[in-house]
Amino acid sequence: QKEVEQNSGPLSVPEGAIASLNCTYSDRVSQSFFWYRQYSGKSPELIMSIYSNGDKEDGRFTAQLNKASQYVSLLIRDSQPSDSATYLCAVNFGNEKLTFGTGTRLTIIP
Amino acid sequence: ETGVTQTPRHLVMGMTNKKSLKCEQHLGHNAMYWYKQSAKKPLELMFVYNFKEQTENNSVPSRFSPECPNSSHLFLHLHTLQPEDSALYLCASSPGTGLSYEQYFGPGTRLTVT
Repeated sequence: QKEVEQNSGPLSVPEGAIASLNCTYSDRVSQSFFWYRQYSGKSPELIMSIYSNGDKEDGRFTAQLNKASQYVSLLIRDSQPSDSATYLCAVNFGNEKLTFGTGTRLTIIP
Repeated sequence: ETGVTQTPRHLVMGMTNKKSLKCEQHLGHNAMYWYKQSAKKPLELMFVYNFKEQTENNSVPSRFSPECPNSSHLFLHLHTLQPEDSALYLCASSPGTGLSYEQYFGPGTRLTVT
């Protein structure tokens, strides 16, 4: 059973600080990784995708992938109250579909 | 907006009703998906269509019946549902079903079965 694990939180971070969200997955051959943001009552919104080891930056967001350790993380710099949401990690295990974690609820404290 | 629309946005139905959910994508994608999202559970893939052909049925009960008349439209026909089927039903699309293709979600239909 291919699995994606996330700490459900809630994770509370002061405004302006760095929020760090982590995700581990079960299969070493996994190839592609995605982070989605979901506001309460809304649908998931794609934030980042990452396919190779290392860091990928997009504005205040940085995705980090370490395939040897089987984890992917999302850093949010200069956290804003509008970043408060549930963040979903998704992994394509090479079977043409995404497997999602349960999500981490992030709260930015003004 | 992601270019994926869903109707209705909210639906309340009795266990003996028949209803349909509709999804339309305006992104020129070739793959479309139905997901179920229940509280405290991961997003659960139900069906995958690629170029109008169903490529995945994730052991979904037959009371859920998908239909994909073309690459832009996807339906989920509902019949004789149970209260535990109450959830947020999400449609998504992607350029294809390969490893690197990103999926984009519609706003969802909040379904309540009474």
